[in-house]
Amino acid sequence: DIQMTQSPSSLSASVGDRVTITCRASQTINGFLNWYQQKPGEAPKFLIHAASILQSGVPSRFSGSGSETDFTLTINSLQPEDFATYYCQQSYNTPLTFGQGTKLEI
Amino acid sequence: EVQLVESGGGVVQPGGSLRLSCAASGFTFSYFAMSWVRQAPGKGLEWVSGIGGSGGDTSYADSVQGRFTISRDNSKDTLYLEMNSLRAEDTAVYYCASHQITLIRGGPFDDWGQGTLVTVSS
Repeated sequence: DIQMTQSPSSLSASVGDRVTITCRASQTINGFLNWYQQKPGEAPKFLIHAASILQSGVPSRFSGSGSETDFTLTINSLQPEDFATYYCQQSYNTPLTFGQGTKLEI
Repeated sequence: EVQLVESGGGVVQPGGSLRLSCAASGFTFSYFAMSWVRQAPGKGLEWVSGIGGSGGDTSYADSVQGRFTISRDNSKDTLYLEMNSLRAEDTAVYYCASHQITLIRGGPFDDWGQGTLVTVSS
């Protein structure tokens, strides 16, 4: 199985900050890396697929990059609505696997 | 507008069974793979099972292999998860999610339902 490891597990930041979350796969996943945002009590929301392609409607302050095994999610100029938990997920092979999540807090 | 509405959750004793359903609308259901993803209380996301658009391809997490069965009825735009031999560790919110493509692998989960809670407890 492909293990996905996110860092950090939690992150404190302020409105207007730039933050970066890292996701590492245990083997190459050929760019099949997706990012999701989840707020308490809500279903996850799809943000980015194929490592860097923003889903329609996602603000441009979100961006993704990476290849092979190492990927990043960057949020520029944090807004109050961005404080949430973020998950990476590989869709290269089954079983599909998620990172453990990164909780972004004020 | 895509809608995914789960139902069938509830409280069940260890060793019991439950069948979850997910009613889909707003897209051509038979074109796209579907999955079940669960989240135990206070924990992260765990993929449980997926099924291809035609229903001919299925896949399971090791933790549920042999106990859970995923299926779909494309004539009713509905996804199912039959859960048997339930354990306390199966307690979670179960989400159904649609894929962007017909295959289980290769694409993200682009739409999610609101989830249904399954509690396994005596």
